[in-house]
Amino acid sequence: AQKVTQAQTEISVVEKEDVTLDCVYETRDTTYYLFWYKQPPSGELVFLIRRNSFDEQNEISGRYSWNFQKSTSSFNFTITASQVVDSAVYFCALTPGANNLFFGTGTRLTVIP
Amino acid sequence: GAVVSQHPSWVICKSGTSVKIECRSLDFQATTMFWYRQFPKQSLMLMATSNEGSKATYEQGVEKDKFLINHASLTLSTLTVTSAHPEDSSFYICSASLGRQETQYFGPGTRLLVL
Repeated sequence: AQKVTQAQTEISVVEKEDVTLDCVYETRDTTYYLFWYKQPPSGELVFLIRRNSFDEQNEISGRYSWNFQKSTSSFNFTITASQVVDSAVYFCALTPGANNLFFGTGTRLTVIP
Repeated sequence: GAVVSQHPSWVICKSGTSVKIECRSLDFQATTMFWYRQFPKQSLMLMATSNEGSKATYEQGVEKDKFLINHASLTLSTLTVTSAHPEDSSFYICSASLGRQETQYFGPGTRLLVL
């Protein structure tokens, strides 16, 4: 069975604080892809990152960084020095094998100025 | 790159009417397009997957006669909500990709309100 768990429903931080969004996944497939998407209040999902199961290297893109650990089935997302524009719902998602995209329930991040 | 558009962005209609939503990949050819539905403060629920030139594959519980999907070209897929009822009111989002395991790029969504 495939499952993506985002245990944090809502998070509030003060601007300039760092924040980490957790994502834990379950799959029996050995080949799979993990994603993070951002959904601002406008509703459009914005693609942030894609990582395949064989690449455990962490990635940094500006203020964003991702920590992928197969040993704990986690793919956590950290925003450094948060800004008000980071306020959105963030979805972690999994594509196992040749199947469709499975989304977590999302984490609503509010950055307070 | 990887821009997906959706039209219209807002629809208000009377119960019993049909509504067509278009999804276009603007700068790439999408082998596969997906249609999702999202209720307020919930995650996305996949409705169906469509490949260009073939019939759509619907998820369990999604009525294919109610939600008609056509994927006539590599850049266009349409979702028609037939005989819409108030319970069909929702946020409908499409996505496009080069294949099932490839990255999905999402459109801006269509908010449907059925009165």
